[in-house]
Amino acid sequence: ETVLTQFPATLSLSPGERATLSCRASQSVDNYLAWYQQKPGQAPRLLIYDASNRATGIPARFSGSGSGTDFTLTISSLEPEDFAVYYCQQRKNWPPLTFGGGTRVEIK
Amino acid sequence: EVQLVESGGGLVKPGGSLRLSCAASGFTFSIYTMSWVRQAPGKGLEWVSSISRSTRTYVYYADSVKGRFTISRDNAKNSLYLQMNSLSAEDTAVYYCVRPLWGNDDMIMDVWGQGTTVIVSS
Repeated sequence: ETVLTQFPATLSLSPGERATLSCRASQSVDNYLAWYQQKPGQAPRLLIYDASNRATGIPARFSGSGSGTDFTLTISSLEPEDFAVYYCQQRKNWPPLTFGGGTRVEIK
Repeated sequence: EVQLVESGGGLVKPGGSLRLSCAASGFTFSIYTMSWVRQAPGKGLEWVSSISRSTRTYVYYADSVKGRFTISRDNAKNSLYLQMNSLSAEDTAVYYCVRPLWGNDDMIMDVWGQGTTVIVSS
């Protein structure tokens, strides 16, 4: 099973600041990594797929990078609606599909 | 509008059973692999099961549910199901029905339902 480790667990930032979230895989997933955003009481929303491709309707301030075992989600300038929990997920080595434990981006 | 609507959640006693349903609309259901993903209270996302567009191709389960849960689909009714047996407190979660981005088993979780809540408690 491919274990995904996300860090930090919590990121405390102010609106307008840059957010850098990390996801590390226990084995290579090539570029088959996705990022999701989840707000309280809502279903997750796909942000990024295949490491760096923005999903439909996702603002350009969200970007993804990485390959192999190390990945990054960057939010260039935080908007108030970006404070949420973010998950990474791999689809290279499945089953099982696996998700990271999540990073909470909170208002400082 | 592409939509997934889950139903069937509720309160069930340990050892009991429940059948979740997911009604799909706004897209050609039969060409998509479909999945269930769950989220325990205050916890992260956990993949539960996936079924290929043709049930004769594959079904996969997480180890945590293997032998207790059965995924199925009815392409004529645009519906996905999850039969859950021998439920325990560890199965308490919101269960999401999920469709991938493309019409194959790409497993990029693009469309999510609103979720249905399962609570296992005596």
